[in-house]
Parts: sequence; C-alpha cells; structure tokens
Amino acid sequence: AQSVTQLDSQVPVFEEAPVELRCNYSSSVSVYLFWYVQYPNQGLQLLLKYLSGSTLVKGINGFEAEFNKSQTSFHLRKPSVHISDTAEYFCAVISSTGGSYIPTFGRGTSLIVHP
Amino acid sequence: GAVVSQHPSRVICKSGTSVKIECRSLDFQATTMFWYRQFPKQSLMLMATSNEGSKATYEQGVEKDKFLINHASLTLSTLTVTSAHPEDSSFYICSADTMGTGGGYTFGSGTRLTVV
Repeated sequence: AQSVTQLDSQVPVFEEAPVELRCNYSSSVSVYLFWYVQYPNQGLQLLLKYLSGSTLVKGINGFEAEFNKSQTSFHLRKPSVHISDTAEYFCAVISSTGGSYIPTFGRGTSLIVHP
Repeated sequence: GAVVSQHPSRVICKSGTSVKIECRSLDFQATTMFWYRQFPKQSLMLMATSNEGSKATYEQGVEKDKFLINHASLTLSTLTVTSAHPEDSSFYICSADTMGTGGGYTFGSGTRLTVV
C-alpha cells in the first residue's frame, strides 16, 4: 500500500522568505502526485499536480514542485512567501497503475508565515 | 475548471437527529464521488466511495448504517449522518475525479458539522 510522509508538521517562516515543504512517498511505481492547500474551514484547493512529462511543475500562487523519482519525493517550494500563504498543505499520491484511483494523503504541513 | 459544490458549509444539530450533506458536480458528470472526514489538525480519512446507481463502498470501520450515502444521479451525492452524536462532530469533505483516472481530483468546500 502506498504511504505519504510529510516530515514537517509545522513550518514557520518570515514573510518574503523562501520555503520548502517536504513530501516523500513509499512506492516507485508510476504515480500521480498532488499538492493541495486548505484554509481554515474550507475544502482542499489544488495547487499543482504531476501526471507525466516535465518533472518541474508550476502551480498557482507562485508555488512549484519537483518530482524526483529516484528519491521518491515531491517537495513543494515557493521563493517568497506572503502572509496569505498561511494554511495547511497536503501532499497526495495516486498509483496510476493500481486500478484504484484513490489518493493517499500525507498528514499535512502547517505553513505559518510571520510578518 | 471543474467545480464540486458542497452544502451546507456549516450545520449545528441536536443529538439524535439526522443531517444531510449534499455534494454536486456543477459542470461535469461524476459517476464516482468520495466522502472524507477530517479531524482537527489531521489529514483526510476516506469514509466511502459513492457510485452512481449502486451501493456505496465503505472503508473499514465506517458504519454504513450511520453514514448513509446516496448517489442517485451523475451530479449529486448525499451523505446523511443518522442519529447524530457529539462524536460525529467533524469536518466532512466530498470530492470527485473529473478525469476518471485519478488525475482530476476536485474537492468540495467542506461541511463543518457540530452535534450538540
């Protein structure tokens, strides 16, 4: 079974600083990879996704992520964060060859941007 | 882009009553929808997979008689929490896969259920 590890439960950072949120997954078979953002009392909004092609994926709000197959990672980055980026971020993985296209979620990383 | 609309966003109900949560796909047809539960500061827990025109598939440990799921059309799935108890208080989120192959997951805005 697939598992997703988000090592950092909280990442505090100052405004305009760069940030990286880490995500590793367990399986090296073909996968789809996602990052979602969740603001308080709201659903999940897709930031970006990797299905195939270029390993560097650009998403909304200035975020990007790089798929590293050898390290089974899909870390999320932003070069300069804003206060409004304070939210919960979830990494998710789907095994694209398994026949069951249901994502496995990481436990989430709380990004806290300080002024 | 594809939109999944979920209502209500917040509901407060008394213990013992039932609450219905609706999840609609606005600009696409969803033969399958998914219902998640989220506890504070935790990740999403898949409760069940809702299949249009057939019975839902529940995850292990989820009481199917308590969490009734109906998927009567290609654009509407409902979750009814029956005989609600305070421990059912949680955040419930639905989702659908617009691509049908896992690449197009879209989530509703969630429902905050509080049972008093």
